[in-house]
Amino acid sequence: QQQVKQSPQSLIVQKGGISIINCAYENTAFDYFPWYQQFPGKGPALLIAIRPDVSEKKEGRFTISFNKSAKQFSLHIMDSQPGDSATYFCAASSGGDTDKLIFGTGTRLQVFP
Amino acid sequence: DSGVTQTPKHLITATGQRVTLRCSPRSGDLSVYWYQQSLDQGLQFLIQYYNGEERAKGNILERFSAQQFPDLHSELNLSSLELGDSALYFCASSVEDRGGTEAFFGQGTRLTVV
Repeated sequence: QQQVKQSPQSLIVQKGGISIINCAYENTAFDYFPWYQQFPGKGPALLIAIRPDVSEKKEGRFTISFNKSAKQFSLHIMDSQPGDSATYFCAASSGGDTDKLIFGTGTRLQVFP
Repeated sequence: DSGVTQTPKHLITATGQRVTLRCSPRSGDLSVYWYQQSLDQGLQFLIQYYNGEERAKGNILERFSAQQFPDLHSELNLSSLELGDSALYFCASSVEDRGGTEAFFGQGTRLTVV
């Protein structure tokens, strides 16, 4: 119940295309859903996050879509650029006694010119 | 730069040995988390401390332990090391321990057990 399932494992997109990464969860107590971006040799960095009271959040070229009834959320990267090539992790946490993040397994995105 | 400092960046040690990884959280952050990242397991939560007290435990082996000191820096101790312990170990910090608080990650310590 603590798992967050992420797909695909890897993604190849042409420059200017749309990258879509999907995540699903089981624990209905989760109430915070961030996406982290990780470049090789670096730690994960927060990209964008959403709470379940909204169905979509957009920040620049990055959009999170959230479907509470399906317990799914996804990251859309519009106009993908080579600089977006990185590993993306979805995560979830619940308020409760701890806000530890439970991460998905990651998606390696490669954007080719 | 996230403001979270981890040392050392790289560590090579032999099986059976013990190592200590150090983390200095961002200024003002009270919560520290430790994660293990290996190729086949992704980012696995190990343990969380908040203002010096253990707050949550994840998939942390009994051979591993951690603590958070009064100055809020944290150490992760790994003992009786095995080849399978080779991984990236990340520390993250956040200002609070309530849900929805952004966690800032350090650059990690790459541990290689030979």
